[in-house]
Parts: sequence; structure tokens; C-alpha cells
Amino acid sequence: NAGVTQTPKFRVLKTGQSMTLLCAQDMNHEYMYWYRQDPGMGLRLIHYSVGEGTTAKGEVPDGYNVSRLKKQNFLLGLESAAPSQTSVYFCASTLAGHTQYFGPGTRLTVL
Amino acid sequence: QQQVKQSPQSLIVQKGGISIINCAYENTAFDYFPWYQQFPGKGPALLIAIRPDVSEKKEGRFTISFNKSAKQFSLHIMDSQPGDSATYFCAARGYGGSQGNLIFGKGTKLSVKP
Repeated sequence: NAGVTQTPKFRVLKTGQSMTLLCAQDMNHEYMYWYRQDPGMGLRLIHYSVGEGTTAKGEVPDGYNVSRLKKQNFLLGLESAAPSQTSVYFCASTLAGHTQYFGPGTRLTVL
Repeated sequence: QQQVKQSPQSLIVQKGGISIINCAYENTAFDYFPWYQQFPGKGPALLIAIRPDVSEKKEGRFTISFNKSAKQFSLHIMDSQPGDSATYFCAARGYGGSQGNLIFGKGTKLSVKP
């Protein structure tokens, strides 16, 4: 049981480049989330999904898109990366809104 | 925007001492208050959680105290150990729809000195 996994672990992008972060969970959880973590800012919700095929905006959605084509996967896309998107990105999942299980994070640097 | 205010931002405690982290919230519809622990380079993990119908919950050296009337809750770490050095986040959750999302505090970096 791997829990929540994220790929890649690290990535460096140039301004304007695009990329996709992949989150996978093997716990059959309905809810999945993408957060960003910046120093002194805590965890801020980017987008979330309450089930396969559904997504919704969180607190800081601008510049990001998501897709949940399969229940176990939640993808976060950056179409045109900006230096302000330099952050650590965490994916999380939960069965019914209680304990959220977090992945190990992706450290993204945008130059 | 709903908020959860957490203090202090950082905390240094001697080994064996008591670490106390405080959080305050505004939305009376919140019904679940977890604390997450995060070690450097790792994702946060649930440490302990409480519902507003109880005033205290204890798990080992970790205790949550909850004051519903004051809309405050706190984490107490008894007999703090160097291995407790981590960042701690409080959070709150409402009920249903987007209200079911967790709202996190900004975190407290705890350092326990040997």
C-alpha cells in the first residue's frame, strides 16, 4: 500500500514553460486535493476534487488547471509557469472529508 | 475568507518542557479540528484531532484543549523531545461542499533543544 505518491519530486522550469504534476493514491479515496506550501503561508488549497470527473477551485486557483479522469489520479497543470509559482506542492486524499493523507511533495522552481 | 489564526510562528523549548501552540477561528460552523505534524522534506501527517463536543483529547504526550465559547483550541506537547522538532499546523473544517475543505493555520516551527 503506497498511499499517496507524487511525481516528480523536484523540477526546475523556465518562465513560460508548462508541466504536469501527477498525484496517485491507492486507498480508493473519493476526495483529492492540491495544495501549495510557501514559507510563512501555511498550506493553501489550489484545486480539489470530490470524485472522478469532478474538480473545483480552491483558495489560489489562478495559473493552474486540474483533471481527475481516473479516481486514483489527480493531475495539476501549469500552462505557462511564472516565478510566483515557485513552491512546494502537496497532494492529499481522503475517504470522506476526515483525515487527509498527504504525499511527499514536489519542489518546483521557476526561473 | 474563513481564517484560522495560529501562534506563535516559531517556538523553542528545552527537552522535557511543555510546548504550547494556539489557534483561533471565526466560523462557528467548523466541526472538526485536526493538528498536522510535518518533518522537513516530508508531507504533513495527522497528529491528533478533536470535535467541538469535547473540551480535551489526549493521545500520549499530545493533548488538544478546545474552548468552544472562545473559539480557540491549542496543542500541548508534554515532555517535549528533540524528535518532536517539526512544523505543526492546526486546521478547521466545516460541513458539506466546499465547507468540508480544511482551512490551515500558517504553521508553527517547533525546535526542542537537548
